[in-house]
Parts: sequence; structure tokens; C-alpha cells
Amino acid sequence: GAVVSQHPSWVICKSGTSVKIECRSLDFQATTMFWYRQFPKQSLMLMATSNEGSKATYEQGVEKDKFLINHASLTLSTLTVTSAHPEDSSFYICSAMGSGRPYEQYFGPGTRLTVT
Amino acid sequence: GNSVTQMEGPVTLSEEAFLTINCTYTATGYPSLFWYVQYPGEGLQLLLKATKADDKGSNKGFEATYRKETTSFHLEKGSVQVSDSAVYFCALSGTPGGYNKLIFGAGTRLAVHP
Repeated sequence: GAVVSQHPSWVICKSGTSVKIECRSLDFQATTMFWYRQFPKQSLMLMATSNEGSKATYEQGVEKDKFLINHASLTLSTLTVTSAHPEDSSFYICSAMGSGRPYEQYFGPGTRLTVT
Repeated sequence: GNSVTQMEGPVTLSEEAFLTINCTYTATGYPSLFWYVQYPGEGLQLLLKATKADDKGSNKGFEATYRKETTSFHLEKGSVQVSDSAVYFCALSGTPGGYNKLIFGAGTRLAVHP
């Protein structure tokens, strides 16, 4: 149980285009979802927290107009990287948390974004 | 601000060796502490947690004790297996800025050889 999927697992796009990454909780309802970014050999950095039906809360230094987050249902959150540039190339990871088990975030496998 | 520091890897061990991965933290208040594991090609999985001082988290033979006096949460296992090869992340949450927001260490890669 508690499986989180991400799609796509990897994507290559051209500079200036937008890319959407999906995060789904497959067998539970995720009241809260988190989006992280991980650079090679570095830690995961929280980008934003989203609650179903509400606007996402972004961490300091994260551009909300560049990284659009939508959490429209209890099983789906999307991250759209708008007007992507090479410096946006990274590994993006989502996690989901249900209301029944505090502390536990269930992580997706991640999406590797490469902007050329 | 809050932060987590863990030992740099990679850590390379032979099967059945004893494992210690050090983790120390800086935080205000009383954070909860976690160890996550990431196997190749998979997402992070919660390995164990401790929510207050002197708590010991344990799972799959791994243990870690929440030491407030030394601000540490070192991960240990008495006898590692090849299947334990993965990246291990120490993390904290709970203070400040959000009860469930996680702050991660850089991760430590463990490689266990037969």
C-alpha cells in the first residue's frame, strides 16, 4: 500500500518550452503533497507544499510563476515548469501524505528533467 | 535555520559487517527525526523514525536513537547484507515553519559487497 507514482520518469525538452510532471497517489487519498528538487549528489530541497483544493505554499526563493503547482484532486498533483531553461534541469520528486498517518510522506520515484 | 548533516559516502562494507552512518542536526524546538532509504531506481521509503528524545526507531535490523544532548540520530545495523545497498537520508521535521515539512541531509550511499 501507499504507492506514489510520477509521470514521466524522464523528459527532455527545449529551452523556452513548458513541461508538466504528474504525481499520483495510487491507493490512498493524499490531503497534502510535496514537491522536491534534487541536484546530483545533493540533498532534496523542498520547493512547495500543496493541499487539495488550495493554492500551493512555496518555499523561499522558489518562483511560483515558474513552477506552477496544481492539486486538483486527492490523488493527483501536477508541477509545470514554465519557460524551462537549462538551469531548471534537475531531478524532481514528489511525496504524498494522507490524513490517517501523520509524519509519513510516501515518495514517488522522481522525474529527471533535462532542458537543452 | 534547521539543518541536517550526515557523513559523506560512499560507505563500502563487506557483507555481515557493522554499519554506522552518522547524522547530526541543528533545530529549534523539538523536531521529529527520520531515516529514509532510496534503493536504485525507486522512491524514498521511510526506514525508521523517532519523535522525542531517547526514542529508538528500528526496522529491518536498523536502529537509531534520538539523542538530544548530542543532537544526533546515528543509523546502525549489526550485520549488513548486499540487499542493503542504497542511499540513506537523514531528515527532520516539525520545527519551525510546518509540522510535516522535511529537511534532508545530503544522503549517504552504502555499497555492500559479498
